[in-house]
Amino acid sequence: GDSVTQMEGPVTLSEEAFLTINCTYTATGYPSLFWYVQYPGEGLQLLLKATKADDKGSNKGFEATYRKETTSFHLEKGSVQVSDSAVYFCALSLTTDSWGKLQFGSGTQVVVTP
Amino acid sequence: DAGITQSPRHKVTETGTPVTLRCHQTENHRYMYWYRQDPGHGLRLIHYSYGVKDTDKGEVSDGYSVSRSKTEDFLLTLESATSSQTSVYFCAISESGALSGDSPLHFGNGTRLTVT
Repeated sequence: GDSVTQMEGPVTLSEEAFLTINCTYTATGYPSLFWYVQYPGEGLQLLLKATKADDKGSNKGFEATYRKETTSFHLEKGSVQVSDSAVYFCALSLTTDSWGKLQFGSGTQVVVTP
Repeated sequence: DAGITQSPRHKVTETGTPVTLRCHQTENHRYMYWYRQDPGHGLRLIHYSYGVKDTDKGEVSDGYSVSRSKTEDFLLTLESATSSQTSVYFCAISESGALSGDSPLHFGNGTRLTVT
């Protein structure tokens, strides 16, 4: 079945460091890919998305490129801030699915220290 | 922020008791979802609804039922709570089922349920 695998956390880094969170997927169709972020005590918020191969999603300094050849959608940010501390979820949705169901990865906690 | 309210925010209950969680939206979105969040598992879909009185099962539906009698309300019921249902439950809504478009999922702030 469809699945998403992302690197385990926690990832701890200093302010202004470079962040990468790896995400790979398995899907029988042609998925759309998403990154969601969850701040403490809150629900998930959409961070960025990409709907086809080679698309790059970007938001708030974060970027991710849909790589069909490596079935990956790695999240990157060039210079993190303490406020980026959160749990990040990679997710996919099949374009053949008209019900809007998302398959989530297990989440990666990111801790940014001053 | 999307207008989604989950109630209660926290609940402690005993094994074997029925529990109902409520999700209320003010966006008039057609699609609503219940997910549970557990360490190491991310979010898993319990049930979803694609219209009033139209619901279907997700990947972890055993022990749960749902009802949607109005567009704005989606209820999740644990028929007889067990300790394995201790979790954080999230409701989500979407205007369109086509998430590849410009209609992402919007999430509520969650209900933390503890079954003792």
